Amino acid sequence: ETGVTQSPTHLIKTRGQQVTLRCSSQSGHNTVSWYQQALGQGPQFIFQYYREEENGRGNFPPRFSGLQFPNYSSELNVNALELDDSALYLCASSQLQGTGTEAFFGQGTRLTVV
Amino acid sequence: GENVEQHPSTLSVQEGDSAVIKCTYSDSASNYFPWYKQELGKGPQLIIDIRSNVGEKKDQRIAVTLNKTAKHFSLHITETQPEDSAVYFCAAPSPRGTYKYIFGTGTRLKVLA
Repeated sequence: ETGVTQSPTHLIKTRGQQVTLRCSSQSGHNTVSWYQQALGQGPQFIFQYYREEENGRGNFPPRFSGLQFPNYSSELNVNALELDDSALYLCASSQLQGTGTEAFFGQGTRLTVV
Repeated sequence: GENVEQHPSTLSVQEGDSAVIKCTYSDSASNYFPWYKQELGKGPQLIIDIRSNVGEKKDQRIAVTLNKTAKHFSLHITETQPEDSAVYFCAAPSPRGTYKYIFGTGTRLKVLA
């Protein structure tokens, strides 16, 4: 067990709706990264939060947004859901910002958009 | 560009045999290379990593080798067991200035009992 927890584990939403996914980082970790993993593919980076600020973003539209709280937990918000947003959403926590340090993943949230 | 190539995409081995998975990265400045194991319905689990100042690292039945000149790194699993069956991903940092990992496309390892 990594100590990174995500909720909910599964979610079904209708196209056009909004969704909020949550992540609690491992104790002592101040950085959270979010990834999208489509079926049969590797994780794709969405963004990273360090000390409550976004400090890196992948090729995702602005309807993907996030927050990090003072306790370093984080939320991923997706507006105007599209069918292609169906995927496993993963958060990873690490002790330092950037790469070059171990990143530990949660179990993911399986989002299905119908 | 940003690219991590991973081969093979599927691998079947007999229990007790060795398995090798290879990855190639593009950014010569990359300095940290983790390997993840993902079982069905779970998130990726960090199993081993290597930094660019060493050429090999071992942890029991798992080892990773790094060739910086050729820009490739490999995962070696010896004495495979059925519980090693999973999808394995390599990852490398994206080009300098960003904060993301680029993941390979994954290798589905099946250990046959």
